Amino acid sequence: AQTVTQSQPEMSVQEAETVTLSCTYDTSESNYYLFWYKQPPSRQMILVIRQEAYKQQNATENRFSVNFQKAAKSFSLKISDSQLGDTAMYFCAFMKQGGGSNYKLTFGKGTLLTVNP
Amino acid sequence: NAGVTQTPKFRILKIGQSMTLQCAQDMNHNYMYWYRQDPGMGLKLIYYSVGAGITDKGEVPNGYNVSRSTTEDFPLRLELAAPSQTSVYFCASGLAGVTGELFFGEGSRLTVL
Repeated sequence: AQTVTQSQPEMSVQEAETVTLSCTYDTSESNYYLFWYKQPPSRQMILVIRQEAYKQQNATENRFSVNFQKAAKSFSLKISDSQLGDTAMYFCAFMKQGGGSNYKLTFGKGTLLTVNP
Repeated sequence: NAGVTQTPKFRILKIGQSMTLQCAQDMNHNYMYWYRQDPGMGLKLIYYSVGAGITDKGEVPNGYNVSRSTTEDFPLRLELAAPSQTSVYFCASGLAGVTGELFFGEGSRLTVL
C-alpha cells in the first residue's frame, strides 16, 4: 500500500515571500501521479498542480512549482510571491497509473499554510 | 456547469439513526468516490465505483454502504449512526486514463450526537 507523509502540520509565511511545503511518499510502483490539492476555509478541494512520475521535468503552474525527486520519493511544493488567498490546508496525494482499482487518491495528513500580511 | 453536487451540506443525527448522503456529477465521469475528512488525518477513502453497477471498499468502509445504479449518482448510506462517523464527507469523480485529476464536491458536515 502507498503512504504519503507531510511532516509539517502548520507553516506560516509573510505575504510576497516564498514558502516550500514538504511531502514524501512510499511506493513500489514505477508509474504514478502526484498531486497537490488546496483546501481553503470554504472546504472546496482545488487541484493546484500535478506531476507524472515518468516526466523528469518539474511541473509549474504560475506561482506554484514542484521539486520532484523520484529516487528520494520526495515531492515538495514551492509557492512564490505568496498571497493572502493562498492561506489554506494543502494536501499531497498519490495515485497509481492505470484504471480499475488503481485510480484512487491516497492523501497525506495536510499542511496548514497561513499567509500573513 | 454544476460539477459534483453533494446534499445535504450539514446534518445532525442522533445515535442509531440512518441517513443517505447524495452525490451527483454531470461530467459523465466513470469513477466516483466517497472520502471522509477528520481533523489532522487527511482524507480517507470509504468506497469507490469504477462504473454503474460496480462498487468496491476503500480504506474505511465499516458502517457505510453505497450503490451506483447510474453513471451520475453515487449515494452513501450510513446505517445506525455512531459518534465515530462525525466527519466531513467528500464525494469526488474522475475520468480514468486522462489526467488522474479528481473533482470534488463541497463536502457534507455530519455530526452524530
